[in-house]
Amino acid sequence: DAGVIQSPRHEVTEMGQEVTLRCKPISGHNSLFWYRQTMMRGLELLIYFNNNVPIDDSGMPEDRFSAKMPNASFSTLKIQPSEPRDSAVYFCASSFAGGPNEQFFGPGTRLTVL
Amino acid sequence: GENVEQHPSTLSVQEGDSAVIKCTYSDSASNYFPWYKQELGKRPQLIIDIRSNVGEKKDQRIAVTLNKTAKHFSLHITETQPEDSAVYFCAASYSGTYKYIFGTGTRLKVLA
Repeated sequence: DAGVIQSPRHEVTEMGQEVTLRCKPISGHNSLFWYRQTMMRGLELLIYFNNNVPIDDSGMPEDRFSAKMPNASFSTLKIQPSEPRDSAVYFCASSFAGGPNEQFFGPGTRLTVL
Repeated sequence: GENVEQHPSTLSVQEGDSAVIKCTYSDSASNYFPWYKQELGKRPQLIIDIRSNVGEKKDQRIAVTLNKTAKHFSLHITETQPEDSAVYFCAASYSGTYKYIFGTGTRLKVLA
């Protein structure tokens, strides 16, 4: 298995532009998590899905952020419009949710908003 | 809200010495406690985990202990090596859900 796949690995954009981050979870995993990591705030959970359904989006910072999971093998995190304070590394993770279990992290997307 | 406190934030040890990182959680319903290691520029990776029905777990040079009464758990690394240098995160599951609450991380430096 290739593990969790994220794209792009790096994204540089200008303030006000739309940014879409993509994630493919490990096959057979039915929980998917989006995290944001910064020096100031550490690892923050933004949203998680179970069986493609959003369960907890309390970590989504504001309406500019949205996430979808149209099927078991694909999820997107969208920021529109982007702002410099959104600059961070965004990780996607997946797990098999028979209970709380190991979450496997993707390589992350480093987002820079100028 | 629920949180996980982690100490120390930085830790320097001499190669061959032991390192201990401590975490305290607030949610009494937490029942799963993973530890992740993150090397510079890399993704977090699980190194060991423990469930609430177990008090201690070992894997070679790494061990984790859990005190449910006091709501704290610790990571112990023995015979540290330079490749152990990284940021370590503890986490606790959040009651009734599959999500974790992460600690703020400990930057471990092993000096050769």
